[in-house]
Amino acid sequence: DTEVTQTPKHLVMGMTNKKSLKCEQHMGHRAMYWYKQKAKKPPELMFVYSYEKLSINESVPSRFSPECPNSSLLNLHLHALQPEDSALYLCASSTPTGTSGELFFGEGSRLTVL
Amino acid sequence: KQEVTQIPAALSVPEGENLVLNCSFTDSAIYNLQWFRQDPGKGLTSLLLIQSSQREQTSGRLNASLDKSSGRSTLYIAASQPGDSATYLCAVRRTIYNQGGKLIFGQGTELSVKP
Repeated sequence: DTEVTQTPKHLVMGMTNKKSLKCEQHMGHRAMYWYKQKAKKPPELMFVYSYEKLSINESVPSRFSPECPNSSLLNLHLHALQPEDSALYLCASSTPTGTSGELFFGEGSRLTVL
Repeated sequence: KQEVTQIPAALSVPEGENLVLNCSFTDSAIYNLQWFRQDPGKGLTSLLLIQSSQREQTSGRLNASLDKSSGRSTLYIAASQPGDSATYLCAVRRTIYNQGGKLIFGQGTELSVKP
C-alpha cells in the first residue's frame, strides 16, 4: 500500500474561519510534508516533519499551523487565511532514513478562501 | 542554490510516438532524482526514482536516465498513448530529510498525446 490519504478533498472557508486539513499514511514513513501548489506551478514546500518533530519550516505565515500527532497523521490548521492562500495543498511522506527517500503524495485538498 | 529546469514546457505529439522529456539541474551533489506525473487538479504520482549512484530506471514504457556529471536526466516514454497526457515533473533531493534535504522541483512539462 503506497497510499497517502488527504481529507477533505475540497474546502471553502471565509477569512475568519478556522479549519484543518488532515493527512494519513500507513507505510511506516517517518517523514511527512506539506506542500502548497498554485495553478500551473510546481509544488512549494511548506513544512517537513521528521520522526514527529518539525524539522523544516519554509518561513510559512503563522496563520498556517502544522501538527503531527503521531507517525501516521499530519494536520494543517488554518486560521485567518487570505484569498491568496487559495491553492491545492498536498501532503507527502517518504521512506525512512538510509533508504530510497522516495516521496509519495496524496491527492490534495483544494482550498478556496473567500 | 539548486535550480531545476525542464524543457520543453509543453509538448503535443500524435499517439504512438516515442518521446523524451528533459530535466537539468545546476548542482550535481544530489541524493536522488524523482519523476512524477500530475493529472489536472490531482496529486503527484511517483513514476521513477533514480538514486545518485544509478544511471537509469525502467518501469513499463518509461525509462529515466541520470547523468550527474552533466546535471541532466531524461524521461523516455515509448509508444505514447492519450492516457499519458499529463504534466510531468522532475525533482531532485540534495540530502535525506533528516539532514534538511528537500525536493527541488522543475516547472514541469505539459504533455498532450493526440489520438
